[in-house]
Amino acid sequence: EPEVTQTPSHQVTQMGQEVILRCVPISNHLYFYWYRQILGQKVEFLVSFYNNEISEKSEIFDDQFSVERPDGSNFTLKIRSTKLEDSAMYFCASGRDRNQETQYFGPGTRLLVL
Amino acid sequence: SQQGEEDPQALSIQEGENATMNCSYKTSINNLQWYRQNSGRGLVHLILIRSNEREKHSGRLRVTLDTSKKSSSLLITASRAADTASYFCATDGVYGNQFYFGTGTSLTVIP
Repeated sequence: EPEVTQTPSHQVTQMGQEVILRCVPISNHLYFYWYRQILGQKVEFLVSFYNNEISEKSEIFDDQFSVERPDGSNFTLKIRSTKLEDSAMYFCASGRDRNQETQYFGPGTRLLVL
Repeated sequence: SQQGEEDPQALSIQEGENATMNCSYKTSINNLQWYRQNSGRGLVHLILIRSNEREKHSGRLRVTLDTSKKSSSLLITASRAADTASYFCATDGVYGNQFYFGTGTSLTVIP
C-alpha cells in the first residue's frame, strides 16, 4: 500500500540554524500538508499546498517557514532560523482530494533544537 | 476554534473489554476522522465518517457521528494490549482543507 515517507526521522540542530524536512507524498495525491506536534500537545496544522502554491496556512507558519515542491515527488518544509520552541514532531500529509477524503500522514520527523 | 476535544483524556481497561472514546467539535464539518498514534510515532488513519453518515464500522471499530450535538464516538470492541495508543479525532472545515485535531484520549489496555 502506498505511504507517505519522511526524512530524516530525527534531526538535532543548534538554535539559529536552518533545517529542511523532507517528505515524499503518495504519488497520485495533489494536496500536501505539514503539521507539527509539540511533545504532549495537540497536532497543529501548519500549511497546505496545492498546485505549487500555499493554499492555507496557520498563524504558526510565519516568515521563518517555507514550503517547496522542488520536483515531482518531494515536498519540503524549511525552517530558516530555528528556535528552541520549534522542537516538535513534524508530520507531512497528503491527500487526493480537498474534501470528502482523508489525509495520509507520514511517520514524522522529530526535530530537537538545542 | 474548531478544534475537537476528546474525552476521557485517559482510559485504562482490561484486555477484552470495550473502549469508548468521545469527541466534540464546534463548527460544521464535511467529515470527521479518527487517528491512532503510538507513543512517539506517526498518525495512522483508522476511519472516516462523513457528515451525512451516522455510523460506520471497520473491523472492531465502530464510529458514530451526531452532527446535531457536534460529537462523535469511537468504540473499540474486544480490546487487545496492542490497542494501547493515543486516539485523536480530526475534523475538517466546510471551507478549509486543514484538519483540526483534538487533544486525544490515551488508551491503555492491560493484558
